[in-house]
Amino acid sequence: ETGVTQTPRHLVMGMTNKKSLKCEQHLGHNAMYWYKQSAKKPLELMFVYNFKEQTENNSVPSRFSPECPNSSHLFLHLHTLQPEDSALYLCASSQDGGGSTYEQYFGPGTRLTVT
Amino acid sequence: AQKVTQAQTEISVVEKEDVTLDCVYETRDTTYYLFWYKQPPSGELVFLIRRNSFDEQNEISGRYSWNFQKSTSSFNFTITASQVVDSAVYFCALPLIWGLGTSLAVNP
Repeated sequence: ETGVTQTPRHLVMGMTNKKSLKCEQHLGHNAMYWYKQSAKKPLELMFVYNFKEQTENNSVPSRFSPECPNSSHLFLHLHTLQPEDSALYLCASSQDGGGSTYEQYFGPGTRLTVT
Repeated sequence: AQKVTQAQTEISVVEKEDVTLDCVYETRDTTYYLFWYKQPPSGELVFLIRRNSFDEQNEISGRYSWNFQKSTSSFNFTITASQVVDSAVYFCALPLIWGLGTSLAVNP
């Protein structure tokens, strides 16, 4: 595997389900990110992890719970989601921790549909 | 506050035309970086360029060129002799702050 991988690519879940999104980066980077991409809106930063420590939580509802066990893996745990949470969820990584200097490398995303 | 504005929502051109995508940004930082990314129909965002605010020289990479003007807070992107494969959504960004993107359609 190379670059940034995400699984699953597509997910349909009911509002009462619990599911997790997985991201893995094979680039040796120190920082990882979760973004939400919805139609007609700018890319929304959700969480930032630097050396496994969460450095940013962009006022994300608690029904989204991130986990970063090491610098290469990032999870997004989902529970009791709302239909408006349906979107493309993108994972990214970068060389630095704050996202202020280096470019980000993105995975293909998980298309989430909440029914 | 930081902000990135891409005023052009959609652009449609015919193959081989030149096209410029506009980007205007706002930041209070004296030193900053700007980025352009491409998101083709397949969906995966691809990094194109990173520019340091200290360096106002224009950059060229093949058919792609970027014009950074600190005085007008703009960082425009030009594709010369566009091709169908250039069809994508292009995003301009400050670190972690993204524009809405410009959807470019290049028609044969």
